[in-house]
Amino acid sequence: DAGITQSPRHKVTETGTPVTLRCHQTENHRYMYWYRQDPGHGLRLIHYSYGVKDTDKGEVSDGYSVSRSKTEDFLLTLESATSSQTSVYFCAIRKDSGNTIYFGEGSWLTVV
Amino acid sequence: DQQVKQNSPSLSVQEGRISILNCDYTNSMFDYFLWYKKYPAEGPTFLISISSIKDKNEDGRFTVFLNKSAKHLSLHIVPSQPGDSAVYFCAASVKTSYDKVIFGPGTSLSVIP
Repeated sequence: DAGITQSPRHKVTETGTPVTLRCHQTENHRYMYWYRQDPGHGLRLIHYSYGVKDTDKGEVSDGYSVSRSKTEDFLLTLESATSSQTSVYFCAIRKDSGNTIYFGEGSWLTVV
Repeated sequence: DQQVKQNSPSLSVQEGRISILNCDYTNSMFDYFLWYKKYPAEGPTFLISISSIKDKNEDGRFTVFLNKSAKHLSLHIVPSQPGDSAVYFCAASVKTSYDKVIFGPGTSLSVIP
């Protein structure tokens, strides 16, 4: 258990509306990640953070932004949700002493 | 173009037999490999990893084999149990860029009692 909490766990939203997903960790790890999981694609990295206010883009960052104002929170924002962003979103952390990524429980987002 | 490939979307195995899940990669810079297991409605959980300096790593019923020349790795589960039924993801990273861990599309394993 890496102490990761995602919220909301499930959300249905309309096309064009903004959506923010929150990832909270309790262990103060430096590295945090947002992935999305889609059939046939596995897990694809959206954005990651290597410290407060330090973020970078992953493979599929278009249409997404992130913020990290505190070590424990990493926010993923869809500025204007589209149906192609219907997916399961996973937050993850990497413990400072290792090379393994640990995932949260996931947030199911449906854009209608 | 997928850098990490799992060409079998699904696999069925009898309980007690060996399960072999395969993974191929295209980027020769990858030097650290991981396997994750995922149950429905849960997050992926780390299973086992291997560094490119090794060709085998074992943890209980799970063994990962790495063939660098073929850019191929496999996960062996012996003996397979019904609780092993899940989706298995292969992942790879470059030591100088551990932040970018690339995942394959996954293989759904069903262990039949």
